[in-house]
Amino acid sequence: DIQLTQFPSFLSASVGDRVAVTCRASQGISRHLAWYQHKPGKAPKLLIYETSTLQSGVPSRFSGSGSGTEFTLTINSLQPEDFATYYCQQIYSYPLTFGGGTKVEIK
Amino acid sequence: EVQLVESGGGLVQPGGSLRLSCVVSGFTFSDHHMDWVRQAPGKGLECVARSLNRGKSYTAEYAASVKGRFIISRDDSRNSLFLQMNSLKTEDTAVYYCVRDSMMYSFDYWGQGAPVFVSS
Repeated sequence: DIQLTQFPSFLSASVGDRVAVTCRASQGISRHLAWYQHKPGKAPKLLIYETSTLQSGVPSRFSGSGSGTEFTLTINSLQPEDFATYYCQQIYSYPLTFGGGTKVEIK
Repeated sequence: EVQLVESGGGLVQPGGSLRLSCVVSGFTFSDHHMDWVRQAPGKGLECVARSLNRGKSYTAEYAASVKGRFIISRDDSRNSLFLQMNSLKTEDTAVYYCVRDSMMYSFDYWGQGAPVFVSS
């Protein structure tokens, strides 16, 4: 199974900050990586797929980069509605796996 | 509008069974792979079962944690996805989401989640 190590697991930031979350795969997954935002009591929301393609309707302050085994989600100018938990997911081989999550909280 | 609506969650004793259903609308069901993803309390997300699309002969795939106990199935005539959960364990307690694979390497639509609580 492909393991995804996501870090940091917790991030404290202020509105307007630029934050980055890293996801490292245990083996190469080409560009088949997606990012999701998850808020308590709600369904996860797709933000980015294929490493860097923004899902329709997602604000442009979200961006993704990387390839192979190292990937990054960047949020420019953090907004109040962005405080949530973020997960990466590899869609390269089954079982499809998620990273452990990064909780972004208000400083 | 794409919609996925789960039902069938609830409280069950260890060793018991439960069947989750997911009725979908707004897209051609048979064209898409479909998944069940769960989140246990205080834990992250886990893909537990996958049903490939008609083009892939509806092949089923399972996480090691549920293989041999859970069965995923679908009824294209009713636009419905199912998860039969047998021999349930306390560690199966979670919210279970019905999820659509976009067919572009992502899960683009999720249901609202069906809570399953396994306890004596």
